[in-house]
Amino acid sequence: DAGVIQSPRHEVTEMGQEVTLRCKPISGHNSLFWYRQTMMRGLELLIYFNNNVPIDDSGMPEDRFSAKMPNASFSTLKIQPSEPRDSAVYFCASRILGRASYNEQFFGPGTRLTVL
Amino acid sequence: AQKITQTQPGMFVQEKEAVTLDCTYDTSDPSYGLFWYKQPSSGEMIFLIYQGSYDQQNATEGRYSLNFQKARKSANLVISASQLGDSAMYFCAMREAAAAGNKLTFGGGTRVLVKP
Repeated sequence: DAGVIQSPRHEVTEMGQEVTLRCKPISGHNSLFWYRQTMMRGLELLIYFNNNVPIDDSGMPEDRFSAKMPNASFSTLKIQPSEPRDSAVYFCASRILGRASYNEQFFGPGTRLTVL
Repeated sequence: AQKITQTQPGMFVQEKEAVTLDCTYDTSDPSYGLFWYKQPSSGEMIFLIYQGSYDQQNATEGRYSLNFQKARKSANLVISASQLGDSAMYFCAMREAAAAGNKLTFGGGTRVLVKP
């Protein structure tokens, strides 16, 4: 079975440009998470969705960041305009909601974003 | 206060020896889960092992075992018979049942380098 799929794997862009990161969760998973990983701040949860509905976006750093999940098999994280400090690895993860005692999150390979 | 603390930023271990990675956590929720993930240099996050707060026995998965000391709020990962492929970053994470959406909170990680 395919795992969580993210695209692109690498993105290099210039400051001010719009960046869109994409994620396809594992089929049947109904909870999706976006994380950002940097050396300084480690792994940070940005936003997560349950059944395509955003539940908690308190980790989104600022209004330049937005995320959508139009259906159960696709999500996007958009940065507009991008800034050099947005350079990081962005991970998408999914899980099955409702298994209260055990809820392993499966991570995608990540998108390494570099903003020049 | 940090919810997950990993005090060892990095460590060396000789091939075939065991290594213990420390993790302490802070929560007032009686129901929680503890996770360990491995992140090799390729960047992906790989789930290793899970321990529930009500589990009576320490979790084991192959060469991985979790030394769960509930009163001390520690969940140390033990890797037995280290292999060169174990060289990676290791992250401890916690899910609190009361946390909306069962989101994970990660520690800062420990880098392990296995020496031949």
